[in-house]
Amino acid sequence: NAGVTQTPKFQVLKTGQSMTLQCAQDMNHEYMSWYRQDPGMGLRLIHYSVGAGITDQGEVPNGYNVSRSTTEDFPLRLLSAAPSQTSVYFCASRTTGGEETQYFGPGTRLLVL
Amino acid sequence: AQKITQTQPGMFVQEKEAVTLDCTYDTSDPSYGLFWYKQPSSGEMIFLIYQGSYDQQNATEGRYSLNFQKARKSANLVISASQLGDSAMYFCAMRGLSGNTPLVFGKGTRLSVIA
Repeated sequence: NAGVTQTPKFQVLKTGQSMTLQCAQDMNHEYMSWYRQDPGMGLRLIHYSVGAGITDQGEVPNGYNVSRSTTEDFPLRLLSAAPSQTSVYFCASRTTGGEETQYFGPGTRLLVL
Repeated sequence: AQKITQTQPGMFVQEKEAVTLDCTYDTSDPSYGLFWYKQPSSGEMIFLIYQGSYDQQNATEGRYSLNFQKARKSANLVISASQLGDSAMYFCAMRGLSGNTPLVFGKGTRLSVIA
């Protein structure tokens, strides 16, 4: 199993550009989520999904869109990048319910100029 | 709503000594889970240890143990016999176990192990 994979690992954008951060998992996990990590702020939840076709907002959803068309993939879209979105983005997955921990991807480092 | 508080931005510990990283939480969920993660300088999130709210005994995983005090709403991580490789950010997190509540993180504690 590859676990949770994220692409790209690093990206530089100009203000106003759009891009999609890719996330995929091969563990058949129903639950997937996106976090951003900023210095001194820990990990903050952006969006999450409990299954294909179902998404919900987290703590900091503004400026980001998600969709979940398959169990495996959960892309995060930035429609018009802003410098405030400079961050490290983590995707995670787990089974729904129960006590299982979340499995994290390696992260995407995004710099918006 | 759930909240995790880690009051120690940074900690230093001498190699081979034990260290306690503090974590307090707040939740209205009757059943919940508490997690600790390690993030080394390479950036990946590494799961360390889990404690269920209904567990009677404190969780242990090798050199890691979780000092769970439910009445005080605290879930401190204890690392015994610190090693240089333990230098990292440590995050406490929790989620309710009913439904699909998200995992909520604290702001983290940076641990530095000194030789």
